[in-house]
Amino acid sequence: GAVVSQHPSWVICKSGTSVKIECRSLDFQATTMFWYRQFPKQSLMLMATSNEGSKATYEQGVEKDKFLINHASLTLSTLTVTSAHPEDSSFYICSASPGNSPLHFGNGTRLTVT
Amino acid sequence: QKEVEQDPGPLSVPEGAIVSLNCTYSNSAFQYFMWYRQYSRKGPELLMYTYSSGNKEDGRFTAQVDKSSKYISLFIRDSQPSDSATYLCAMSRITGNQFYFGTGTSLTVIP
Repeated sequence: GAVVSQHPSWVICKSGTSVKIECRSLDFQATTMFWYRQFPKQSLMLMATSNEGSKATYEQGVEKDKFLINHASLTLSTLTVTSAHPEDSSFYICSASPGNSPLHFGNGTRLTVT
Repeated sequence: QKEVEQDPGPLSVPEGAIVSLNCTYSNSAFQYFMWYRQYSRKGPELLMYTYSSGNKEDGRFTAQVDKSSKYISLFIRDSQPSDSATYLCAMSRITGNQFYFGTGTSLTVIP
């Protein structure tokens, strides 16, 4: 089956620093990947749609300058949280779909900003 | 009105019970229907995937889609403590790459 790998699984950083999260489709090519944020006991919140070779599409209310998305190849999308602050602490999850198929999710990245 | 509605629960059942999880939706263009299981601090895992109406069975899990009522269900037979998780329904149209999620139902199976 389709596998999406996300790295790192958890990261702790100091306030003001930047953190990069990688999302890879291991056995399929993905022209589109999705980035979600999830708060404890809440559902997934779509942050942005990452498009290979073009700019990401951000959902309303998501700061594109804070959450930089790069989709440089058909198997890799990255989310960089710039100048992180404690309120950016959350669970970030990526997903991708191999064509007309269901979404497959990475295992998520738990970000803690101290 | 939300595109997809799902009762958040929480739902608590004894081991061995049959569990019924449900979602309703408003967009008749949805053709693909998915159920995901999410354990705490993990990404959602695809459980069942159906296209259009009908039933699909995989082991202890059965997914049902009733497009006339815009209603989908996931049944878990002989529930186990390891089934304790949050279950998310999701759906999409026949074309395009937008997926719509329910809010998730928290399930606890008590030994």
